[in-house]
Amino acid sequence: EAGVAQSPRYKIIEKRQSVAFWCNPISGHATLYWYQQILGQGPKLLIQFQNNGVVDDSQLPKDRFSAERLKGVDSTLKIQPAKLEDSAVYLCASSLEVGTSSYNEQFFGPGTRLTVL
Amino acid sequence: AQSVTQPDIHITVSEGASLELRCNYSYGATPYLFWYVQSPGQGLQLLLKYFSGDTLVQGIKGFEAEFKRSQSSFNLRKPSVHWSDAAEYFCAVGASGTYKYIFGTGTRLKVLA
Repeated sequence: EAGVAQSPRYKIIEKRQSVAFWCNPISGHATLYWYQQILGQGPKLLIQFQNNGVVDDSQLPKDRFSAERLKGVDSTLKIQPAKLEDSAVYLCASSLEVGTSSYNEQFFGPGTRLTVL
Repeated sequence: AQSVTQPDIHITVSEGASLELRCNYSYGATPYLFWYVQSPGQGLQLLLKYFSGDTLVQGIKGFEAEFKRSQSSFNLRKPSVHWSDAAEYFCAVGASGTYKYIFGTGTRLKVLA
């Protein structure tokens, strides 16, 4: 079974530039998550999708971050313009549809390491 | 609001020694609890999870964890550590209803040969 795919793996940009990350979840997983992991910290949820609808984006800095999940499969996360403090690893995860009787495990991709200079 | 505390930022053990990583959580109801491992440059891999039932949970790679409600703890253990266990370990609590994970800050494990 193929896992969660993310690209690129690494990205270096200068502040005020824009950047986009791509995620392809495990086939059949309706729920998709984007996390930000700053060095020395645990992952922090930015946004959660179920199919192509947003379930939770309460911690997404909406003035500069945006995310979409067209057709309920792949997703992109964009930062525009980037700030120095956006340097982090951006993790994508997916799970079966939440809201069912069982608590579904989240499967994580390898992440994209962003460095903002 | 729920939270997770991992008191140890770094732990160093010798290969073959036993290991215990601490995790304390704050949550009003029965939590869903998880331990993940992250090797350098890799995503997070689930080691084990607790939803309900037996409070001693077995996971992959020889790890186990024990849920203690009275102490609000979910400590991870391994009887004999291998050099390949060197990684960062994250404890997480999942909130019922929202299915959000709250992660701790992680414990970095170093294994001495």
